[in-house]
Amino acid sequence: QKEVEQNSGPLSVPEGAIASLNCTYSDRVSQSFFWYRQYSGKSPELIMSIYSNGDKEDGRFTAQLNKASQYVSLLIRDSQPSDSATYLCAVLNQAGTALIFGKGTTLSVSS
Amino acid sequence: NAGVMQNPRHLVRRRGQEARLRCSPMKGHSHVYWYRQLPEEGLKFMVYLQKENIIDESGMPKERFSAEFPKEGPSILRIQQVVRGDSAAYFCASSTDRDGTEAFFGQGTRLTVV
Repeated sequence: QKEVEQNSGPLSVPEGAIASLNCTYSDRVSQSFFWYRQYSGKSPELIMSIYSNGDKEDGRFTAQLNKASQYVSLLIRDSQPSDSATYLCAVLNQAGTALIFGKGTTLSVSS
Repeated sequence: NAGVMQNPRHLVRRRGQEARLRCSPMKGHSHVYWYRQLPEEGLKFMVYLQKENIIDESGMPKERFSAEFPKEGPSILRIQQVVRGDSAAYFCASSTDRDGTEAFFGQGTRLTVV
C-alpha cells in the first residue's frame, strides 16, 4: 500500500513567521506532487504542484521536492492568521489515475 | 468560469435508502474523480472516470457503490442501501487530463445517514 505521511500537528507559528510543512511518500517512482489547503468544513483547494527536484515559488508559498529522499515540503512565508487550515500533501499514483493523500497537517497562525 | 459543481451540498438519508450524488466538472475538463473523507480521516480515492468509461475503480467498495459519467450530464455516485458508516463528505474533482494534471475539487456533498 503506497503511503503519504504527514505530521498531524498542530503546527503553531506567530503571524509573520515562516511555516514549514513536511511530507514523505513511500512510492519511489512517484512523479507528481501537490499541496492542497482545506479549511474546516470546506473542500480542498490546490495551492501548488511540483514535478521536478528543487524549489518552486508562488507568492508566499514555496514547494520543495527531493525525490532521492522521497520528501516534499511547503514553506509559507509571512504567515497570516488566514493561513490557519489543514494542509494536505498529495502524490499521484504510478498509474496516473488517483491522488494519494496524507492525513494533513493542521497549521495555526496566531496574531 | 464555474468551478466543479456538486449537488446536493447536504444529503440526509435513512438507513436502507439510496443516495445519489452529482458532479459537473469544470468547463473543458473531461476527467472526474470521486473521493471520500470520513471524520478525522484523510481523503480516500474512490473512482476515476472519463465520459462513458470507468478508468480506475480500485477505491470503490465492492458492494452498494457505483459511479457513472454519461455522455451527457453530470457524473453520478450512487450508494444503495446506505448504512451509518457511509456518513462522510464526498468530494468530486476534475482535471483536463490525467498523469499529473492539476485536479480541482468541488464543494462536496455531506452525507448523513440516520
